[in-house]
Amino acid sequence: AQSVAQPEDQVNVAEGNPLTVKCTYSVSGNPYLFWYVQYPNRGLQFLLKYITGDNLVKGSYGFEAEFNKSQTSFHLKKPSALVSDSALYFCAVRGSSGGSYIPTFGRGTSLIVHP
Amino acid sequence: EAGVAQSPRYKIIEKRQSVAFWCNPISGHATLYWYQQILGQGPKLLIQFQNNGVVDDSQLPKDRFSAERLKGVDSTLKIQPAKLEDSAVYLCASSLGLEADTQYFGPGTRLTVL
Repeated sequence: AQSVAQPEDQVNVAEGNPLTVKCTYSVSGNPYLFWYVQYPNRGLQFLLKYITGDNLVKGSYGFEAEFNKSQTSFHLKKPSALVSDSALYFCAVRGSSGGSYIPTFGRGTSLIVHP
Repeated sequence: EAGVAQSPRYKIIEKRQSVAFWCNPISGHATLYWYQQILGQGPKLLIQFQNNGVVDDSQLPKDRFSAERLKGVDSTLKIQPAKLEDSAVYLCASSLGLEADTQYFGPGTRLTVL
């Protein structure tokens, strides 16, 4: 069975500093990996995804993520955090074998950016 | 482009009552998903449709939950009878197809069971 781990419930960072939100996964076959962001009382919004190719993926709002196959990780990063980045971030994986490509989400990481 | 629409946004019911949620996906999206998101947890997939066929419903509590997608467009999710532990946000999402396609989420329905 596939799984996603987000080891930090909360990440605190000062505005202007770099941020990292961690994600590791377990899946059969090659993974499709996604990051979504959720603001209060709103649905999830897509940030970026890795399918194949370049291990560094760039997405919306200046976010990027690095796929590391040997460490089975897909950490979300941003060079300079903004207060408006404060939200709940979810990592998700879909396995590319087995036929049904069921999406599995992590439990989320709350990012708090302090002014 | 219109997003995924869901209604109602909020619902409060008593245990053992029934409730239904409605979802209208983005036009042209073949795949539709229903998720349950309990406070403090990530979304858990309940059921996935491809057009009007079920791709996966392995995590759907079939003794009380049911879902349908008539004509491969709109979908309804029903709970009957509701239990206290069904209190959650129910999210609907859609995508063009399967696999690596991006999912687009609706605003969700917050269900409170008293």
